[in-house]
Amino acid sequence: GAGVSQSPSNKVTEKGKDVELRCDPISGHTALYWYRQSLGQGLEFLIYFQGNSAPDKSGLPSDRFSAERTGGSVSTLTIQRTQQEDSAVYLCASSLAGGPNTDTQYFGPGTRLTVL
Amino acid sequence: GEDVEQSLFLSVREGDSSVINCTYTDSSSTYLYWYKQEPGAGLQLLTYIFSNMDMKQDQRLTVLLNKKDKHLSLRIADTQTGDSAIYFCAESPPGANNLFFGTGTRLTVIP
Repeated sequence: GAGVSQSPSNKVTEKGKDVELRCDPISGHTALYWYRQSLGQGLEFLIYFQGNSAPDKSGLPSDRFSAERTGGSVSTLTIQRTQQEDSAVYLCASSLAGGPNTDTQYFGPGTRLTVL
Repeated sequence: GEDVEQSLFLSVREGDSSVINCTYTDSSSTYLYWYKQEPGAGLQLLTYIFSNMDMKQDQRLTVLLNKKDKHLSLRIADTQTGDSAIYFCAESPPGANNLFFGTGTRLTVIP
């Protein structure tokens, strides 16, 4: 497909379990972003990858959250020991070159995470 | 952090104009964006405006920027039921890798 894809589309898990969320960016896009959208809130930045540079992790809310990007393409966001407050829609975006001032971010449909 | 503010809800009748407002915090933001999110979908970029512009028009969409007041608005002319969605404004402060989004305005178009 031509767009950003994410899987799964929905994930229900029990408190304390680990989850992995996947993002496939648009082919050729070097920049990848993860955001979190909680009910009634705007999008909260989590992490940014640009090429082979060290990721910008400044938005990760706790050390239970981590992300990696393998081969400069697919990215996985991992949440360990999930808590109920982690319930949200997790959105991934990619852009051609990175840097929002010059480049458009294209968003995937998101993964809705529910922690019971 | 940045604090981008929007009202949460707006209802308009089909055929009327909609105006969605946003205030942002960083006067040095170079670009300001409007995104649309339909139910169950990701965010779709609608339009953006460069900070040295006051207005940008694109078909039914008009963006107005007041840099002095740090106020951004999106006007949708002849609003249709298909325009019902959540609209997010976002700013991109210099030096930031990410966009800072508002809470979104849920637009409901009444037939």
